Amino acid sequence: GAVVSQHPSWVICKSGTSVKIECRSLDFQATTMFWYRQFPKQSLMLMATSNEGSKATYEQGVEKDKFLINHASLTLSTLTVTSAHPEDSSFYICSAHLGWTSYNEQFFGPGTRLTVL
Amino acid sequence: GENVEQHPSTLSVQEGDSAVIKCTYSDSASNYFPWYKQELGKRPQLIIDIRSNVGEKKDQRIAVTLNKTAKHFSLHITETQPEDSAVYFCAASDGNKLVFGAGTILRVKS
Repeated sequence: GAVVSQHPSWVICKSGTSVKIECRSLDFQATTMFWYRQFPKQSLMLMATSNEGSKATYEQGVEKDKFLINHASLTLSTLTVTSAHPEDSSFYICSAHLGWTSYNEQFFGPGTRLTVL
Repeated sequence: GENVEQHPSTLSVQEGDSAVIKCTYSDSASNYFPWYKQELGKRPQLIIDIRSNVGEKKDQRIAVTLNKTAKHFSLHITETQPEDSAVYFCAASDGNKLVFGAGTILRVKS
């Protein structure tokens, strides 16, 4: 149980285009999902916390107009990188929270490798 | 906000030896401390976690200790094997978001 999927697993796009990444909880309902970014040889940095039916909470320094997050259902959150540039190339990973009863454990998706040319 | 520091950044051990990775955190409200193993291009994999009401937890060759007073926690891997080679991350949570350490590259030499 507690499986999280992401789509696509990798994407290559041209500079200036927008890219949408989907994160799904396959066998549970996730009221909270998290989006992380990981540059090569670096740690995971939280970008935003996504709560179903409400606006996402962005971490300091993350542009909310550039990284659009939508959490329209209890099993799906999407991250759209708008007007992508080469510096946005990174590994994007989502995670889902089962809730307080699971003592904070997060379940991670497999990640999406974004390359902006 | 929470700040997690992790040491060492790289660790090389001989197969069969033990490996220890240490982390410190700053926010006394943090109550959940997971450790992740990440292989290149893959998702972080939870290997062990500990909650603030426990001082030590063990799972086969892996153990974690927590010192709440000093605000530090450590990962211990015994009888290391080549397949333990990976990047290891500690993290701390106050019940909501996770804050990760910078990571430790563990190399187990056979």
